[in-house]
Amino acid sequence: RKEVEQDPGPFNVPEGATVAFNCTYSNSASQSFFWYRQDCRKEPKLLMSVYSSGNEDGRFTAQLNRASQYISLLIRDSKLSDSATYLCVVNALNSGTYKYIFGTGTRLKVLA
Amino acid sequence: DVKVTQSSRYLVKRTGEKVFLECVQDMDHENMFWYRQDPGLGLRLIYFSYDVKMKEKGDIPEGYSVSREKKERFSLILESASTNQTSMYLCASSTDDNLAKNIQYFGAGTRLSVL
Repeated sequence: RKEVEQDPGPFNVPEGATVAFNCTYSNSASQSFFWYRQDCRKEPKLLMSVYSSGNEDGRFTAQLNRASQYISLLIRDSKLSDSATYLCVVNALNSGTYKYIFGTGTRLKVLA
Repeated sequence: DVKVTQSSRYLVKRTGEKVFLECVQDMDHENMFWYRQDPGLGLRLIYFSYDVKMKEKGDIPEGYSVSREKKERFSLILESASTNQTSMYLCASSTDDNLAKNIQYFGAGTRLSVL
């Protein structure tokens, strides 16, 4: 079982739709959580960080459920420019060191 | 703005060549990381460094080495490149403040092809 699991998609949604992605993690010692956005052939860029139960930034909301060990990302009123791959990242204590563990990403296509 | 600069965007090398990938950050970050990204596998940690002249193996260090002689620069070395090292290489940096919460910032990546 992968330490961080995401549905690879693609999620094809029309402009203006609301879309949600889930990410599950296996390490209960995970301390912090991030969603990064990665455009094709570009570097990952931080979208949101989640340290407690959740975070909201404009059209984007991230929720953390520690009991069930998953985090979600909700995008409201999708724009064409939201088309990208969304990486779920877990920062967990592993052998005495904090390390980022990446999911393989969920691909989103917003259609006109 | 944090800036992490990788020396090359695209690189083509031959099997057996020694390859140097350079990464420089301008935010005085203590921590620097090298990852490779492959389809279906996500980002995997090769090596990281928490301070000058300090290095730690990540999850897939075999076939790689690193050098951190200055705080702002972290180099990844492929001693003898092989075709299975064809990949996208990403460098990242972060501050030392609260390692449980710190954010990593990535360079634009180097797409390496080994022929």
